Amino acid sequence: GQQVKQSSPSLTVQEGGISILNCDYENDMFDYFAWYKKYPDNSPTLLISVRSNVDKREDGRLTVFLNKSGKHFSLHITASQPEDTAVYLCAAGVNQGGSAKLIFGEGTKLTVSS
Amino acid sequence: DMKVTQMPRYLIKRMGENVLLECGQDMSHETMYWYRQDPGLGLQLIYISYDVDSNSEGDIPKGYRVSRKKREHFSLILDSAKTNQTSVYFCASSPGTGRGAETLYFGSGTRLTVL
Repeated sequence: GQQVKQSSPSLTVQEGGISILNCDYENDMFDYFAWYKKYPDNSPTLLISVRSNVDKREDGRLTVFLNKSGKHFSLHITASQPEDTAVYLCAAGVNQGGSAKLIFGEGTKLTVSS
Repeated sequence: DMKVTQMPRYLIKRMGENVLLECGQDMSHETMYWYRQDPGLGLQLIYISYDVDSNSEGDIPKGYRVSRKKREHFSLILDSAKTNQTSVYFCASSPGTGRGAETLYFGSGTRLTVL
């Protein structure tokens, strides 16, 4: 089964609004969680990540919330802009001495309309 | 400039042919990965390599093998390609140590079509 799941394949948000992207996972052992952004015909790039010892991390307009008991994490993008339009991939993994065998979700296509 | 380079960018092969996908990185990263991306399935891990000749199966290794003889180079081999191996293949590397150890740096991908 899919260990990391993004239940919403797409999301549309008005410019200036808050985009909320969700991700659920199954493995209790996951201790590293990340969000990657991917433009069409481009490679994924890391946006933000957290370890399991924190439940929130902010970086500019981005905030990751981690709910370990619910096996859920989310990415909030405030003041959404048209250039935020992309596919967002969540990923989770177990840190093994620095390397993490990352399992990715299916992706959510975010469209920010102006 | 930190870079993961994949060759070729596009490739068309016939069923039963052998396929070699090459990946290089100039960051001396210990860990390298091969993923494939299919619509509705996200990125699926094929193989992970923790260093030279230290390779481990990912979630979908069947039909693939890998080779890592130098730290900066990681190859994906398809012996006798099948049509269901048509996909976009991404190589990635991560530092493995220090700040940002788990961050994956991806190549630009190889779009493989098996006819």
